[in-house]
Amino acid sequence: DGGITQSPKYLFRKEGQNVTLSCEQNLNHDAMYWYRQDPGQGLRLIYYSQIVNDFQKGDIAEGYSVSREKKESFPLTVTSAQKNPTAFYLCASTPGTDYYNEQFFGPGTRLTVL
Amino acid sequence: KQEVTQIPAALSVPEGENLVLNCSFTDSAIYNLQWFRQDPGKGLTSLLLIQSSQREQTSGRLNASLDKSSGRSTLYIAASQPGDSATYLCAVRSRTSGSRLTFGEGTQLTVNP
Repeated sequence: DGGITQSPKYLFRKEGQNVTLSCEQNLNHDAMYWYRQDPGQGLRLIYYSQIVNDFQKGDIAEGYSVSREKKESFPLTVTSAQKNPTAFYLCASTPGTDYYNEQFFGPGTRLTVL
Repeated sequence: KQEVTQIPAALSVPEGENLVLNCSFTDSAIYNLQWFRQDPGKGLTSLLLIQSSQREQTSGRLNASLDKSSGRSTLYIAASQPGDSATYLCAVRSRTSGSRLTFGEGTQLTVNP
């Protein structure tokens, strides 16, 4: 089955730790995205990548980092610089890089800071 | 800057009712609009994608319309069922934001048996 997988489903972080959230897709999609979802707020874009070895900051990139070494993988690292990282994180992808494509989402990772 | 608003924030209806969810956006220069469904603690499931040149899209009991000039879209759900209970989000891709989607905050729908 083709799709987007995110792991882990739940993640707990101690203050001062960096953690990495995994996102993998076997859809052969070109573009991948990371969003953050907080209660009562819409999804906010953290980073996106339209091609391997290239990525752009979204609206709330501070305290996060990404890499895109392979087309199918787009891991997100939440660094200790992110002051309020507790949230639901969603990875998404689109087939191409033009503006007319449908966006598909993974199941999400819930990150909690202890 | 594109802004997307969904009203109401929550809606509760009896089973079998036809209902309409609303989405409005401030910048009418859009490429497309996408409706999603989100169950509690889950990711988003794409329901319908409407390109800017289209007026509506249909999938089963769902019909989404788009009026670009007025900055509005509606999602019509026919003969609602308890399994339709979820949060429904709309998102637009506009010329001013490139490939990014701008999301509304969603409408939480409860269909009571």
